[in-house]
Amino acid sequence: NAGVTQTPKFRILKIGQSMTLQCAQDMNHNYMYWYRQDPGMGLKLIYYSVGAGITDKGEVPNGYNVSRSTTEDFPLRLELAAPSQTSVYFCASVGASGQNTEAFFGQGTRLTVV
Amino acid sequence: KNQVEQSPQSLIILEGKNCTLQCNYTVSPFSNLRWYKQDTGRGPVSLTIMTFSENTKSNGRYTATLDADTKQSSLHITASQLSDSASYICVVSDRGSTLGRLYFGRGTQLTVWP
Repeated sequence: NAGVTQTPKFRILKIGQSMTLQCAQDMNHNYMYWYRQDPGMGLKLIYYSVGAGITDKGEVPNGYNVSRSTTEDFPLRLELAAPSQTSVYFCASVGASGQNTEAFFGQGTRLTVV
Repeated sequence: KNQVEQSPQSLIILEGKNCTLQCNYTVSPFSNLRWYKQDTGRGPVSLTIMTFSENTKSNGRYTATLDADTKQSSLHITASQLSDSASYICVVSDRGSTLGRLYFGRGTQLTVWP
């Protein structure tokens, strides 16, 4: 039972580089989220998806893009990395049975942009 | 504005002692409230989830309370252990949409000393 799997765990990028943070869940969850967590701050929603083919912006979407071609995968794309995107990124998923179900989180991706 | 405020920001206690963490929220309309434990460098892990009609829920040595009228919640930890050292995050979900947006507090950093 893998739950939510994020890769990579760590990454250092140079300004202007691009990368994709991978997120996969094996629980057949419809709802998936991407959050970033800055030091001493709460998690902030970047993008979310209510199902395959459907995505929408969260609180802080600028500089990011997502896609949801399958139920299992929800990758987050950074096109032109900036130092302000240095953060820890968490992917989460929630089951399809409604809002009172458990939210499962991945282990996080620590990204540094230099 | 939907917000979740936690106090204290940090707390140090001796092993074996009890402690209580506080969470106040302004999220409306309210759907549920979750408490998560986040170990350093790991993703959040669920402790409890409570809906509007529940005012207390226990998970081992963790007991959460909810007062939906005053929009307050607490997490009580009994007989603390060194492994309880972590950040404890209060998360409130709204029911303004089918998605159920999650609003995160900044967390209380708990340190348990031997």
